[in-house]
Amino acid sequence: AQKITQTQPGMFVQEKEAVTLDCTYDTSDPSYGLFWYKQPSSGEMIFLIYQGSYDQQNATEGRYSLNFQKARKSANLVISASQLGDSAMYFCAMREGINSGYALNFGKGTSLLVTP
Amino acid sequence: GAVVSQHPSWVICKSGTSVKIECRSLDFQATTMFWYRQFPKQSLMLMATSNEGSKATYEQGVEKDKFLINHASLTLSTLTVTSAHPEDSSFYICSARDPGTSGYNEQFFGPGTRLTVL
Repeated sequence: AQKITQTQPGMFVQEKEAVTLDCTYDTSDPSYGLFWYKQPSSGEMIFLIYQGSYDQQNATEGRYSLNFQKARKSANLVISASQLGDSAMYFCAMREGINSGYALNFGKGTSLLVTP
Repeated sequence: GAVVSQHPSWVICKSGTSVKIECRSLDFQATTMFWYRQFPKQSLMLMATSNEGSKATYEQGVEKDKFLINHASLTLSTLTVTSAHPEDSSFYICSARDPGTSGYNEQFFGPGTRLTVL
């Protein structure tokens, strides 16, 4: 069963606008972490932001913020003031507790294109 | 942040040959390393988890005899694709866990290796 679901294969946003990338997850483990990574065409995985299951506040990192709705099991990424350099693939990932061995489970990704 | 390197960054080989990919943690000791495979336009799929000094744990559907993983030291893990075939062509990415990192983001990714089998 898919543990991380990203329903938007592709998204367009105009430069300087905000964009939300959707991510829902499925787990029965009370302790988990949610990650967002950016993957440009070069292939490297760039860590953007993290949200822990016990964190009370939504995570923020510069222009990135995570809209964490625990009851809905969603962890959407919000990118404010989009820049041309934000064009890339974006992956949502989850790490479940200690028994998972710390491996990450990735969603299928969303391709974001920022237009001038 | 911690640095993970991979070598080679890309490789082209003939069908039937074996290819070795190295993953190194440059400034920390990685007790655990992970190998992922990514086909074009697709997600990263975990292939195996490798702990230093012990046998790797492979995910369901990954052939352990085809994808040999060796984690002989705390800074080096290798993935050998044996008797490679065109369907093995993919982007292989490793990550390493730094247990000394405080906080949550203790997993660091290498830049990836693009394998093309002719």
